[in-house]
Amino acid sequence: GQQVMQIPQYQHVQEGEDFTTYCNSSTTLSNIQWYKQRPGGHPVFLIQLVKSGEVKKQKRLTFQFGEAKKNSSLHITATQTTDVGTYFCAGLGNTGTASKLTFGTGTRLQVML
Amino acid sequence: SQTIHQWPATLVQPVGSPLSLECTVEGTSNPNLYWYRQAAGRGLQLLFYSVGIGQISSEVPQNLSASRPQDRQFILSSKKLLLSDSGFYLCAWSWEAGYTFGSGTRLTVV
Repeated sequence: GQQVMQIPQYQHVQEGEDFTTYCNSSTTLSNIQWYKQRPGGHPVFLIQLVKSGEVKKQKRLTFQFGEAKKNSSLHITATQTTDVGTYFCAGLGNTGTASKLTFGTGTRLQVML
Repeated sequence: SQTIHQWPATLVQPVGSPLSLECTVEGTSNPNLYWYRQAAGRGLQLLFYSVGIGQISSEVPQNLSASRPQDRQFILSSKKLLLSDSGFYLCAWSWEAGYTFGSGTRLTVV
């Protein structure tokens, strides 16, 4: 079945440093989504990427979808303590009537003052 | 606007006891609904999904079952809990661009 891996598993950064997490799928995806889960909370939708090579920005966050639609990245510029949490990518394959997401393994970000 | 409700927030249950977790969605009709489980510090594992009333697809063979008795109600059940059933259970519904998750139930089986 479809597998989605993320690296790194953990990342500690100093506040103000940049952060990047990478997501790789074993199969081609129709789209990829990113979610953020704060400690003790539930995943919250951030963005969806659909087109090959697509790049989207949300303030300090930059999301990219690979040309082959099998990988993606999330880059945070000048991290802040509010960025703390686990970032998950989630890939959508073509599985029939239901939109079944396969979630990545997640990258836990810790921001130190 | 659409909202999703999940309860209870936390639950401590003894091994061998039954389980019933409920999820309801408001503000949309005929949503695709999902149950995920997250072990401590781990990713999200899809357990069940449903595209309509009475339609349940199981992703992983296990000690759990799901039912959808009404359009906007999704229930996760077990007849006898195992220690390995402990985890964070999340209900979600899907829309055009993503999933919206409920606040989750933290289940500890003791």
